[in-house]
Amino acid sequence: SQKIEQNSEALNIQEGKTATLTCNYTNYSPAYLQWYRQDPGRGPVFLLLIRENEKEKRKERLKVTFDTTLKQSLFHITASQPADSATYLCALLNAGNMLTFGGGTRLMVKP
Amino acid sequence: DAGVIQSPRHEVTEMGQEVTLRCKPISGHDYLFWYRQTMMRGLELLIYFNNNVPIDDSGMPEDRFSAKMPNASFSTLKIQPSEPRDSAVYFCASRGRDSGNTEAFFGQGTRLTVV
Repeated sequence: SQKIEQNSEALNIQEGKTATLTCNYTNYSPAYLQWYRQDPGRGPVFLLLIRENEKEKRKERLKVTFDTTLKQSLFHITASQPADSATYLCALLNAGNMLTFGGGTRLMVKP
Repeated sequence: DAGVIQSPRHEVTEMGQEVTLRCKPISGHDYLFWYRQTMMRGLELLIYFNNNVPIDDSGMPEDRFSAKMPNASFSTLKIQPSEPRDSAVYFCASRGRDSGNTEAFFGQGTRLTVV
C-alpha cells in the first residue's frame, strides 16, 4: 500500500541550529514533492516544491532535497528561529494530480 | 482574492444529525480537495474534483459521506447521519491547472464535533 512517513515525534532544537526533517514514501511515483507548514488552528501553507528530476531546491533559509532512488526527501531550516516552530508536512502530487500528505513532524525551536 | 473560504468555522451537532460543510475555492482554480485531519490519522484526502467532476473519492470513509461541486465556485461535504467518530477538522483546498503551479491553498477549516 502507499505510505508517506514522517517522524511523528517532535523535533526540539536550539535557536540558530539547522533543523532537518525527513519524509519517506513507498509505492508512489510522485511527479512533485511539496512541503507545507501548519500552525495550530490554521490550514497548511505551501512552502516549497521539488520536481522528480530535481535533486535540491532552496528558498531563503529553506532547503529541500529529493532522492527518488531512496524515496526520501529531507527538509532543512538553517539558522532556525522560535518563529519556525510549527508542524511541517510533506505531500506528494502524482501524475493524476492527487495530493496526499504525510502525518507531519512538529518542530520546536527553543530560544 | 480572499483565499479559500470555508463555513462554518465550528460545528457542534448531535449524533444522527445531518452536517453540511461548505467551501468556496479560489476563483480560477480547477482542482478542489476535501481533507479530514485528526491527531490519530493526520491529514487524510477524502475526495478531489477537477473542473467540478469528482476524480477520486476512494478516501471517503463510508456511504454516510457525500460531496458535490455544482459549479466552479462552490462545493459541499455532507455527512448523514453523523457519528462521534466523525469529529475532526475538515479542510478544503484548491489549486490551479497550470502544471507549474501545483501548490494547494487551504481554507481555515471547519472543526466538527459530534456529541
